[in-house]
Amino acid sequence: ETGVTQTPRHLVMGMTNKKSLKCEQHLGHNAMYWYKQSAKKPLELMFVYSLEERVENNSVPSRFSPECPNSSHLFLHLHTLQPEDSALYLCASSQDLGGPVYEQYFGPGTRLTVT
Amino acid sequence: DAKTTQPPSMDCAEGRAANLPCNHSTISGNEYVYWYRQIHSQGPQYIIHGLKNNETNEMASLIITEDRKSSTLILPHATLRDTAVYYCIVRIYNTDKLIFGTGTRLQVFP
Repeated sequence: ETGVTQTPRHLVMGMTNKKSLKCEQHLGHNAMYWYKQSAKKPLELMFVYSLEERVENNSVPSRFSPECPNSSHLFLHLHTLQPEDSALYLCASSQDLGGPVYEQYFGPGTRLTVT
Repeated sequence: DAKTTQPPSMDCAEGRAANLPCNHSTISGNEYVYWYRQIHSQGPQYIIHGLKNNETNEMASLIITEDRKSSTLILPHATLRDTAVYYCIVRIYNTDKLIFGTGTRLQVFP
């Protein structure tokens, strides 16, 4: 158990569907992140939250909508996705932001397929 | 952000040391070198990080050259479970962006 869990692990959705990805961290961390990993491409940072406040949005299309109701939970709401959005979506957490020793702990990811 | 260059793949015999190189010739004085690895179908896992001095923990050792333009991650006794993609990342102090490259795919064979 990594301390960061993600559900579901696999998701297939049509382009007109609405779905949500859930991330939960059991580490008492204050910062949480969403990353996207497409096939044959490096991980891309999407969003950063600190104490439930969004502090980074890396030019992510509005069809991806994050939500952080508390410091332990992070959601990624999906709607009207495109096939090119198919990827592994990874959640991570760290103790805080801004320190050199705050390594990020990753969850196992949600494998998303958009049909 | 400073960029890193890693060989795309390496092989290592089980029980031998795996030495994974990374070039970061444009690194700045306040940028740290981080290493993560990603085992197939899992999220990345933190391994080690350093600024100037060599570092060692229970997983690996990190050797950073004096000019800080390159580093080497050493797995002293590689096992089959060390087969993964290893990412060398340069991170600016006080920021939270981990800029992942394409990494080195390490294959440990029996």
